[in-house]
Amino acid sequence: SYVLTQPPSVSVAPGQTARITCGGNNIGSKGVHWYQQKPGQAPVLVVYDDSDRPSGIPERFSGSNSGNTATLTISRVEAGDEADYYCQVWDSSSDSRVFGGGTKLTVL
Amino acid sequence: EVQLVESGGGVVRPGGSLRLSCAASGFNFDDSGMNWVRQPPGKGLEWVSDINWNGGRIGYAESVKGRFTISRDNAKNSLYLQMNSLRAEDTALYYCARDGRHCSDGVCYSGGYMDVWGKGTTVTVSS
Repeated sequence: SYVLTQPPSVSVAPGQTARITCGGNNIGSKGVHWYQQKPGQAPVLVVYDDSDRPSGIPERFSGSNSGNTATLTISRVEAGDEADYYCQVWDSSSDSRVFGGGTKLTVL
Repeated sequence: EVQLVESGGGVVRPGGSLRLSCAASGFNFDDSGMNWVRQPPGKGLEWVSDINWNGGRIGYAESVKGRFTISRDNAKNSLYLQMNSLRAEDTALYYCARDGRHCSDGVCYSGGYMDVWGKGTTVTVSS
C-alpha cells in the first residue's frame, strides 16, 4: 500500500515560515490534501489538490507538490497555527485514501 | 450551517458489535460522498471507509474489510458504520467526514479529500 512520510515535528518562531513535507513515491502525480488538527478538535481542511485553499483559510497557507515530495508552507506563522498537520492522498492502486503520520508544528 | 454529528460510540467487549451513525444537515446529503475516519488515542488519522452518493461505490481500509459495513439512508440524511468482530486495535475516535467534490458543467465527482468533519464519537474495545 502507498506510504506517506512526514517529519514528526517542526518548530518555528512566530513571524517566520514553516514548511512541512510529505514524502511518497511519485507523489507529484497525485493530488495532495492537508489537514490541520488542534488539540481536542476535529481536523480542518487547509489545502486541497496540492495548492487550493478552502474558503476561510488564510492566504498564509499554501501548498506545492512535485516529484516525491509535497510541501505545506505556512507564512508569517502565528501562535494559533500550532497544531498537528496531516497530508492525505487517494491511492488509485488500492482505491483507498491514505494519511501521512502527521507533523506537530510548534511555535516557539 | 453545514454540520455532521456522530453518535453510537461506547464501550464494547472484543468480538462485539457497534453501529455508529452520522446525522448530516445544512447541505445536500444525497449529492455527497461520505467517509469514516478514525483516530486511536494519541495517534494519527486513519481512513476507514467511504461511500458515494447513492451507495453504488463503497471502499474499505484493509484493516476493517470484512468486519465493518458502511451504509447510508438519504431519506434520513444519515450515514452509518456497522462494526462487527471488534478488536482492541479498533479503539479510536471515529469521525464522519464529507467528500470534497470537483464539479464541471454540472457533473461532479469525488475530489478524494474531506472538506467537512464531525466532532467524532468514541469507541472503546476492552474486556
